[in-house]
Amino acid sequence: AQKVTQAQTEISVVEKEDVTLDCVYETRDTTYYLFWYKQPPSGELVFLIRRNSFDEQNEISGRYSWNFQKSTSSFNFTITASQVVDSAVYFCALGGNNRKLIWGLGTSLAVNP
Amino acid sequence: GAGVSQSPRYKVAKRGQDVALRCDPISGHVSLFWYQQALGQGPEFLTYFQNEAQLDKSGLPSDRFFAERPEGSVSTLKIQRTQQEDSAVYLCASSLGATTVYTQYFGPGTRLTVL
Repeated sequence: AQKVTQAQTEISVVEKEDVTLDCVYETRDTTYYLFWYKQPPSGELVFLIRRNSFDEQNEISGRYSWNFQKSTSSFNFTITASQVVDSAVYFCALGGNNRKLIWGLGTSLAVNP
Repeated sequence: GAGVSQSPRYKVAKRGQDVALRCDPISGHVSLFWYQQALGQGPEFLTYFQNEAQLDKSGLPSDRFFAERPEGSVSTLKIQRTQQEDSAVYLCASSLGATTVYTQYFGPGTRLTVL
């Protein structure tokens, strides 16, 4: 069975702090894809990154970085120097051999000024 | 269009009414997905289309839920005889291709409230 666990339900930080959102997944597929989406208060899910199971290189995009480790089945997301505009719910999702995405419950991030 | 659009953005229905939710995918996207998102939860898969063919409807919670995409573009999710437990945000997503190799892009959702 496929499963995504985001253990942190809510995180609150002060602006300019670094914050890491954890994502642990379970799958028996050998080829799979991992995603992070951002859901601001407006409700629309915004795509952030896709990573395939054969590429364990970490990725950095501006203040965002992702750490994919197959050995621990984790795909963690770090925001450096957080800003108020980063406040949102962040979802990690897993796609395997079928077409469905399996989603975590999300982590609600509040960045306070 | 620039992105996935959904209408209406908000819908209030009395229990027992039928509702129809519309999704306009990104132009040229082959695949279209419907998800249901309850408050404080992640999206739950409902159904999937490849062009006009509904290839997976395993997530539809009951036979009151029906989806169609007759011309392979716009899709409608219909809920008959709405119940209070149907209250949720209904999200539509589209992607270029058929598998999760392809990123799914989401619309703003329709928030359905059943009184």
